[in-house]
Amino acid sequence: GAGVSQSPSNKVTEKGKDVELRCDPISGHTALYWYRQSLGQGLEFLIYFQGNSAPDKSGLPSDRFSAERTGGSVSTLTIQRTQQEDSAVYLCASSPEVAKRNEQFFGPGTRLTVL
Amino acid sequence: SQQGEEDPQALSIQEGENATMNCSYKTSINNLQWYRQNSGRGLVHLILIRSNEREKHSGRLRVTLDTSKKSSSLLITASRAADTASYFCATDARAGANNLFFGTGTRLTVIP
Repeated sequence: GAGVSQSPSNKVTEKGKDVELRCDPISGHTALYWYRQSLGQGLEFLIYFQGNSAPDKSGLPSDRFSAERTGGSVSTLTIQRTQQEDSAVYLCASSPEVAKRNEQFFGPGTRLTVL
Repeated sequence: SQQGEEDPQALSIQEGENATMNCSYKTSINNLQWYRQNSGRGLVHLILIRSNEREKHSGRLRVTLDTSKKSSSLLITASRAADTASYFCATDARAGANNLFFGTGTRLTVIP
């Protein structure tokens, strides 16, 4: 069966441009997470979606970051007016239910480079 | 911060040796998980240990949890070159946050 997929795998953009990153979770998984990983660092939580509940946005670093999850499936992370410090690997994960009590299934990530 | 801290940051061993990585955390937890990451990309879940468990095995992996010390260890026995990767512990919180908190990872290199 298909795992979590993310696109694009790599994105290079110029400072100040907007970018959209896409995540396709495993079918039927209700929980979806976005994390950010800077070079050589651990994962930084960004945002969490669970079913039809309001998302937990407590990890978003600034108002330039936003995310949507349409129809409880595909999610898009948008970064507006990108800055060089936004350069990182953005990882999406999904889980069948309450993810923090269970295994999270990760996508391969999108490596974002802001020039 | 509730983030876990792994040590060592980097570990290099010969194939066939055992590798031990440690994780410390700061708050009470429901469970602790270990993940593996190859080449800075997606993470793969290895094992989950619940707060009422002290030890768990999965193949060549052995995980221990000491909630009194807020620490866990991951032991990989009879290491192989293919075990070369970064290993992260991740904790949840008993209440509050919805997400897992990841440590900074241990970079393991197994030399053939």
